[in-house]
Amino acid sequence: GNSVTQMEGPVTLSEEAFLTINCTYTATGYPSLFWYVQYPGEGLQLLLKATKADDKGSNKGFEATYRKETTSFHLEKGSVQVSDSAVYFCALGPQGGSEKLVFGKGTKLTVNP
Amino acid sequence: GAVVSQHPSWVICKSGTSVKIECRSLDFQATTMFWYRQFPKQSLMLMATSNEGSKATYEQGVEKDKFLINHASLTLSTLTVTSAHPEDSSFYICSASGERVEQYFGPGTRLTVT
Repeated sequence: GNSVTQMEGPVTLSEEAFLTINCTYTATGYPSLFWYVQYPGEGLQLLLKATKADDKGSNKGFEATYRKETTSFHLEKGSVQVSDSAVYFCALGPQGGSEKLVFGKGTKLTVNP
Repeated sequence: GAVVSQHPSWVICKSGTSVKIECRSLDFQATTMFWYRQFPKQSLMLMATSNEGSKATYEQGVEKDKFLINHASLTLSTLTVTSAHPEDSSFYICSASGERVEQYFGPGTRLTVT
């Protein structure tokens, strides 16, 4: 079945550091890939998505590229801010994301000033 | 963007009682709603998928009689935890999607059973 593996946290960085959170997946067919962010005490918000191979999703300075050859969708940001502190979830699902999603375990990011 | 609300945001109940959690899509019609459970430091586990007007589809290992899901309208789904026990304490999150609307998540409900 479909599954998502993302790097274990927690990750602690200083402000303006470079961020990478690894995510790899196993899936049949051609799923869409997503990154969700959960700020403390809040629900999940879609951060970015990619629907086909070589697509790059981007939002708020975050980027991730759908790599079919390595079955990966790593999240990157060139310069993190304190406000980026949150838990990040990688997920996969059918096209569009309106149906059942499979989530990774989440990676908690803490950014210190 | 689309907004999904949950009520209550947190609830404490005694063992053996039932608790109802509401999930509402505020500005779109949700043909499908999902209920997730999130354990501390773990990912979201899908419990069930509900389509408006039909019975919910439960994931393997989720007790249908314990977690009652009702998707009575295009804007409301409820999850009732019946005869709650301390092991049911968790963070419950709903999400909703509609025609041409991707999945949006509610803020979650923290359930503590004493």
